[in-house]
Amino acid sequence: QKEVEQNSGPLSVPEGAIASLNCTYSDRGSQSFFWYRQYSGKSPELIMFIYSNGDKEDGRFTAQLNKASQYVSLLIRDSQPSDSATYLCAAYILTGGGNKLTFGTGTQLKVEL
Amino acid sequence: NAGVTQTPKFRILKIGQSMTLQCAQDMNHNYMYWYRQDPGMGLKLIYYSVGAGITDKGEVPNGYNVSRSTTEDFPLRLELAAPSQTSVYFCASSSGGGPTGELFFGEGSRLTVL
Repeated sequence: QKEVEQNSGPLSVPEGAIASLNCTYSDRGSQSFFWYRQYSGKSPELIMFIYSNGDKEDGRFTAQLNKASQYVSLLIRDSQPSDSATYLCAAYILTGGGNKLTFGTGTQLKVEL
Repeated sequence: NAGVTQTPKFRILKIGQSMTLQCAQDMNHNYMYWYRQDPGMGLKLIYYSVGAGITDKGEVPNGYNVSRSTTEDFPLRLELAAPSQTSVYFCASSSGGGPTGELFFGEGSRLTVL
């Protein structure tokens, strides 16, 4: 079982709609979760992180964490064509061998006009 | 604001050649990382460093070596290049290694081994 799993997509949503990106993780020791956005041919950039159960909002973005279900999601409200990118979910895990940040394979989002 | 600078951006190697990917950051970050990203895949950690003189292996260290003689620089050495090392390599840094630490990435180095 992969430590961090994401649907590769592509996820297509119309402009102005809500895009919902999902991520599951296998290690219950995961402490925090990050969402990075990566445009094609570019490097990842942080959108937001979350470590407490519930919702965390930052502008048009909302991260949701449910530790009981081992589930993280990212909602993008009022989706814009500029949101079209690959979204990487990452889990931070404290292990006996050291801290580890594990990335999922990413979900490609396409926002259509 | 330079941030994390990687060189070269593109390189083609022949099987068996060696090379060094350079990475420098000007944010005085203690933590530095090397990741590789294969098409359609997530980022895999190759090596990381928590400070000058301290390095450790990540998930996929075989075929690579690193050194960290200064806070700013974290070069990645590829010995005896193989086609399996064809990938995009990202260097990253962070101010702390804790659970809320943001990674700042360089622009990436695209390596092809033929």
